[in-house]
Amino acid sequence: QVQLQESGPGLVKPSETLSLTCTVSGGSMSSYYWSWLRQAPGKGLEWIGYIYYSGSTNYNPSLNSRVTISVDTSRNQFSLKLSSVTAADTAVYYCARGGGWYSHWGQGTLVTVSS
Amino acid sequence: QSALTQPASVSGSPGQSITISCTGTSNDVGAYNYVSWYQQHPGKAPKLMIYDVSNRPSGVSNRFSGSKSGNTASLTISGLQAEDEADYYCNSYTSTNWYVFGTGTKVTVL
Repeated sequence: QVQLQESGPGLVKPSETLSLTCTVSGGSMSSYYWSWLRQAPGKGLEWIGYIYYSGSTNYNPSLNSRVTISVDTSRNQFSLKLSSVTAADTAVYYCARGGGWYSHWGQGTLVTVSS
Repeated sequence: QSALTQPASVSGSPGQSITISCTGTSNDVGAYNYVSWYQQHPGKAPKLMIYDVSNRPSGVSNRFSGSKSGNTASLTISGLQAEDEADYYCNSYTSTNWYVFGTGTKVTVL
């Protein structure tokens, strides 16, 4: 059974870059899309973007200029970088398998933006 | 691109059927059969319930079904059970090549 696990700092200062990694276990990354999503406290879900295992990406236009998603299939990992963060970026960040629908999810990790 | 519109809350008694609507536009829900639905219990990650409008992943109860008419997609839960109490979100592909979620619906089992 495929499992995903997010990791990274739980606290990021304003204007800095948020960096998270998702480790995939129990299956290959090949032939799949891999996504990042987030959920602000008490709010709904927001799609951040996805990467294909080969490296092509697609990002939410509202975040496009600040987002970078990369993949390292040799380590079974993909990563998220979100630059110039503000308090509005405080959220639970999820990694998931899929590009249009998400069949497997990580447990989520809370990232708080605060000085 | 605005979020898809869902009712804030829907409730029903055990055994009843309820339907959650997800209204978009001709640029998203109405244009593509790429609507998915997710169930989220408090403090948990979302779970895929329906994909491509009406397809159920393996392991999801057949009490859950999806459909679409025009710009509105729907998720129906039949034989409502206490464990179905959760938040539900729809998601759709859009003509600008990205994905938008619905506003979310809280389902309460009376």
